[in-house]
Amino acid sequence: DADVTQTPRNRITKTGKRIMLECSQTKGHDRMYWYRQDPGLGLRLIYYSFDVKDINKGEISDGYSVSRQAQAKFSLSLESAIPNQTALYFCATGRRQGVSYNEQFFGPGTRLTVL
Amino acid sequence: GQQVMQIPQYQHVQEGEDFTTYCNSSTTLSNIQWYKQRPGGHPVFLIQLVKSGEVKKQKRLTFQFGEAKKNSSLHITATQTTDVGTYFCAGPAGNKLTFGGGTRVLVKP
Repeated sequence: DADVTQTPRNRITKTGKRIMLECSQTKGHDRMYWYRQDPGLGLRLIYYSFDVKDINKGEISDGYSVSRQAQAKFSLSLESAIPNQTALYFCATGRRQGVSYNEQFFGPGTRLTVL
Repeated sequence: GQQVMQIPQYQHVQEGEDFTTYCNSSTTLSNIQWYKQRPGGHPVFLIQLVKSGEVKKQKRLTFQFGEAKKNSSLHITATQTTDVGTYFCAGPAGNKLTFGGGTRVLVKP
């Protein structure tokens, strides 16, 4: 969706470099997520945030950190990139309604290559 | 923790044929969601099923939630080239979604 944007869209970096991926949304959603996609492994959750003061680890948070600068912005950092962090990264937003979880809206993705 | 498995991982379909892809959870789900990711694109929400045994249709796509709320299926009739992509199911686990590995659909014209 155009309402969720990610920068950069593509990035090639070297082992050991610090990398930041940024996500912005205009949907007004309180919940934001970072996922990693590898072939055959689906989408794996790295970190998620339910508001500016709430940060939670997902299933594969090692080697990553996040910052929720504002309700609309959620950035993902790789402190010291390594080749097995080469993947497609997606940011997503969502909101909870009642007792059910509404759908998530994904950004266009960032393709990261670590050499 | 909760695991969500999808089979098959790849589905080669002749244009015009029907096929079904399956999603199985290791735990009972309160609901299940389906997403489609076109080649080179991002996942896009298709539908959410909430009730045991629920069946929903979207044109040629039929989604079903199992009676025990631990499995789901997506059936596509008269497959078209526009159906190409990867279909993911996802179930809630606490405050987040657990995605299956996806079924990648390839259509032969």
